Amino acid sequence: DQQVKQNSPSLSVQEGRISILNCDYTNSMFDYFLWYKKYPAEGPTFLISISSIKDKNEDGRFTVFLNKSAKHLSLHIVPSQPGDSAVYFCATRAYSGGGADGLTFGKGTHLIIQP
Amino acid sequence: DAGITQSPRYKITETGRQVTLMCHQTWSHSYMFWYRQDLGHGLRLIYYSAAADITDKGEVPDGYVVSRSKTENFPLTLESATRSQTSVYFCASSDRAQPQHFGDGTRLSIL
Repeated sequence: DQQVKQNSPSLSVQEGRISILNCDYTNSMFDYFLWYKKYPAEGPTFLISISSIKDKNEDGRFTVFLNKSAKHLSLHIVPSQPGDSAVYFCATRAYSGGGADGLTFGKGTHLIIQP
Repeated sequence: DAGITQSPRYKITETGRQVTLMCHQTWSHSYMFWYRQDLGHGLRLIYYSAAADITDKGEVPDGYVVSRSKTENFPLTLESATRSQTSVYFCASSDRAQPQHFGDGTRLSIL
């Protein structure tokens, strides 16, 4: 069973508008959530994260919202720019105290910014 | 330059062969990870390591072997490659509780 779901394989947004990428998770033990951005032929690049003790984290044009009761998080990009065209992965981790936890990834959403 | 490098970037081999993918990081991060990415899946964890000589299985470890004799290196070996192991492999590293940093991947094709 998929523990992290990104239900939109692709999303097309006009340049300058808001992009909203969604992610749902099933395991309530997950307590740390991350978004990664990936260009073709490159590794994923860390974008922004949020701890389960918060419901919002902002970094420039990127904001992540966490709704724990719904087990849902979203990434908002405002305004969207052509360089934002990439695959975005939602990832989560369950705290084990050791820090060596691997991440559980969603399948990714391909964001396309239209000029 | 500081960072995480994977080699080779591309590899073609035949079923039954042994192949080793290399991963080297210059940050002195304690934690290192191997993932594979396949169509229809996100990245899936193969093995991870909390320190030199400490390794543990992830979600999809079957058919893979890892070692970590030095903090900076974390090689992944396919002892007898199978077609189902055709994939893109990513290595990552991190400090405790920090976001993982990824290499650019090795695209492995097994014929």
